[in-house]
Amino acid sequence: GAVVSQHPSWVICKSGTSVKIECRSLDFQATTMFWYRQFPKQSLMLMATSNEGSKATYEQGVEKDKFLINHASLTLSTLTVTSAHPEDSSFYICSATGTYSYEQYFGPGTRLTVT
Amino acid sequence: ELKVEQNPLFLSMQEGKNYTIYCNYSTTSDRLYWYRQDPGKSLESLFVLLSNGAVKQEGRLMASLDTKARLSTLHITAAVHDLSATYFCAVDMEDQAGTALIFGKGTTLSVSS
Repeated sequence: GAVVSQHPSWVICKSGTSVKIECRSLDFQATTMFWYRQFPKQSLMLMATSNEGSKATYEQGVEKDKFLINHASLTLSTLTVTSAHPEDSSFYICSATGTYSYEQYFGPGTRLTVT
Repeated sequence: ELKVEQNPLFLSMQEGKNYTIYCNYSTTSDRLYWYRQDPGKSLESLFVLLSNGAVKQEGRLMASLDTKARLSTLHITAAVHDLSATYFCAVDMEDQAGTALIFGKGTTLSVSS
């Protein structure tokens, strides 16, 4: 099956700093990638949708200047959390889908802790 | 409003007994996905249901889809401890490829002997 990786798997950063999370499709070309956020004991909430070579589309309530998404190639999307605050601490999961494909393939997630 | 509602949210199961999780949705898409999530882990795909009447089975889990009722069920047969996890259903936001998913709140299963 299709494989999606994320790096890092966990990260601790200080309040006010920025952190970058990478999402890679390892064995297929991901025309669309999605970023979800999951708080403890809650469901996944879509943050943004990114298409290769285009600006990301953010969901209502998600600050695009705070959560910078770059989908520069068909195998890589990055999420940068700028000026992180403790309330940004969460589990960030990316998923990817190929051309004309309905099924999404999920990465292993990145646990972000902001101290 | 796009909604995906799961029930129950918590299910304490006894080993060997049968249980059902329900997933109601109100999106225009009729593609329904079931995922399993273990604590601290990401999602594991269980089933993809694409059409009315679709039924899929894997081991002790069986999923079905009724698009007319906008209802999917995940049936657990003879529960075992290994099935303890959180199960999510999800549907496509839109009826087209490359669309995001809307997730239900999840059902946390706990199997005890």
